Amino acid sequence: GAVVSQHPSWVICKSGTSVKIECRSLDFQATTMFWYRQFPKQSLMLMATSNEGSKATYEQGVEKDKFLINHASLTLSTLTVTSAHPEDSSFYICSASSPSTDTQYFGPGTRLTVL
Amino acid sequence: GEDVEQSLFLSVREGDSSVINCTYTDSSSTYLYWYKQEPGAGLQLLTYIFSNMDMKQDQRLTVLLNKKDKHLSLRIADTQTGDSAIYFCAESGNQGGKLIFGQGTELSVKP
Repeated sequence: GAVVSQHPSWVICKSGTSVKIECRSLDFQATTMFWYRQFPKQSLMLMATSNEGSKATYEQGVEKDKFLINHASLTLSTLTVTSAHPEDSSFYICSASSPSTDTQYFGPGTRLTVL
Repeated sequence: GEDVEQSLFLSVREGDSSVINCTYTDSSSTYLYWYKQEPGAGLQLLTYIFSNMDMKQDQRLTVLLNKKDKHLSLRIADTQTGDSAIYFCAESGNQGGKLIFGQGTELSVKP
């Protein structure tokens, strides 16, 4: 149980385009989902906390107009990187919090490369 | 602020035990977690321990928690080459379910 999927697993896009990444909890309902960014050989950096039906809470230094988060249902949150630039290239990982245990389960990650 | 520290590298021989250490600063943490990350993949939850426990064992994994010293360790018995990965320690504070991660320990298992 407690499986989280992400789609796509990797994406290459041109500078200036927008990219949407989906995060789904497959076998449980997640009232809270988290979005992280990870640079090579580094730890995870929390970008934002997403609660179903409300606006996301962004960490300091994360541009909310750049990284749009929508959590429209208990099983789906989306992260849209708007007007992507090469410096947005990174590994983006989501997690979903199981309400029964408060434990975060992570998706497999999405590798974004902006040319 | 809250902080979680881990050593960056550990190298062991196949069949030996591995011990990965972690220290944290937030004494109000409810749960402490160990996650495993293989190259190009997300994080896999290995185990977690509730803050009022001292030890938890799950097959080859043993977690020890010293709450007084704010020290957490993960012991992997009979380490295999498939255990090579980065291991992250994380604590849950009082911030709405947020996790505070350590830098990750890269475990290298040599045959």
